[in-house]
Amino acid sequence: GQQLNQSPQSMFIQEGEDVSMNCTSSSIFNTWLWYKQDPGEGPVLLIALYKAGELTSNGRLTAQFGITRKDSFLNISASIPSDVGIYFCAGPKDSNYQLIWGAGTKLIIKP
Amino acid sequence: DSGVTQTPKHLITATGQRVTLRCSPRSGDLSVYWYQQSLDQGLQFLIQYYNGEERAKGNILERFSAQQFPDLHSELNLSSLELGDSALYFCASSFRTGESANEQFFGPGTRLTVL
Repeated sequence: GQQLNQSPQSMFIQEGEDVSMNCTSSSIFNTWLWYKQDPGEGPVLLIALYKAGELTSNGRLTAQFGITRKDSFLNISASIPSDVGIYFCAGPKDSNYQLIWGAGTKLIIKP
Repeated sequence: DSGVTQTPKHLITATGQRVTLRCSPRSGDLSVYWYQQSLDQGLQFLIQYYNGEERAKGNILERFSAQQFPDLHSELNLSSLELGDSALYFCASSFRTGESANEQFFGPGTRLTVL
């Protein structure tokens, strides 16, 4: 079945560093969604992508819809402590609008 | 604030008991989704309702059931609770049509602890 593979699983970063993570699938997706979840809170939608090749920014966050439609990338520039959390990618499974979710990338700030 | 509300915020109960979790979607959203998230795990899709009707089922246990009412709020019923049911339960809602219907907006969750 359809699966989304996120990497890396976790990242240790220093404040001020740029961060990159990605999401890949063996299937084609027409939409890519990126969410962030803070501990104990509900996921929050960061960026939605609808066209292959599309590059969309939300503040220091930039996401890209891969040209093959089988991958997507999320970059965070000049990371700050509040960027810590888990980042999930998701894409629609079928016309019922059910989403398939990646396992998440956990961002941790180095002390 | 996503506009999705969930009650209660926390729930502590004993094994074998039954609980009901409640969700109110964003104004105008017809779809409601329920997810389970165990400690340090990803989001497990349980069930989806659209305008009162069940639309899709994930790995939902037979001990769990849900419904969506005419006012579009939804309830998730968990019965014969086991220790392993302890988790965060999230409700999400989405807009009715178009490509943005894929965008799900999450509530703050209900933390269930089964002792």
